[in-house]
Amino acid sequence: AQSVAQPEDQVNVAEGNPLTVKCTYSVSGNPYLFWYVQYPNRGLQFLLKYITGDNLVKGSYGFEAEFNKSQTSFHLKKPSALVSDSALYFCAVRDLYGNNRLAFGKGNQVVVIP
Amino acid sequence: KAGVTQTPRYLIKTRGQQVTLSCSPISGHRSVSWYQQTPGQGLQFLFEYFSETQRNKGNFPGRFSGRQFSNSRSEMNVSTLELGDSALYLCASSFSGAGTDTQYFGPGTRLTVL
Repeated sequence: AQSVAQPEDQVNVAEGNPLTVKCTYSVSGNPYLFWYVQYPNRGLQFLLKYITGDNLVKGSYGFEAEFNKSQTSFHLKKPSALVSDSALYFCAVRDLYGNNRLAFGKGNQVVVIP
Repeated sequence: KAGVTQTPRYLIKTRGQQVTLSCSPISGHRSVSWYQQTPGQGLQFLFEYFSETQRNKGNFPGRFSGRQFSNSRSEMNVSTLELGDSALYLCASSFSGAGTDTQYFGPGTRLTVL
């Protein structure tokens, strides 16, 4: 079965500094990878996804993610963090050989310090 | 285009009661998935519906059920509520539910069981 690990519970970063949120995955076939963000009392908002092709994926709000097959990682990055980026970030994976459901990591709380 | 809508946004029930939650997908989307989000277990997949048929099911007891109507709107029902059913219930829609499809989430229904 597919699974995702987000090793850090919380990521603290100063405003204006680069932001990285880590994600590693495990699937039996080719991975389809997704990042979502959740603000308090809100649903999940889609940021970006990797299906195939270029390993660097660009998404919404200045976020990007790098797919690394050898390290089975899909880290989310933003060159310059904003206070408004403070939220809960989820990595998710789906593979076609599984049951086509999305498997989510436990989430990372990002705190951007002014 | 309107996003995914869920009603009601908040519910308070007592143990033993039953509850029905509603989800209206993005126009044109035919796949609807349901997730349960709790602080302890994170995001867990409940089930997916496509063209009025349940296509996938997660590891939840039979008290959790759902259905989808011909207009792709979906409902989920929880019978004989338990304290542990308190959670944020999220609905997500996608065009076909294929592995490459992006799931778009609604704001969720916050269920509190007393």
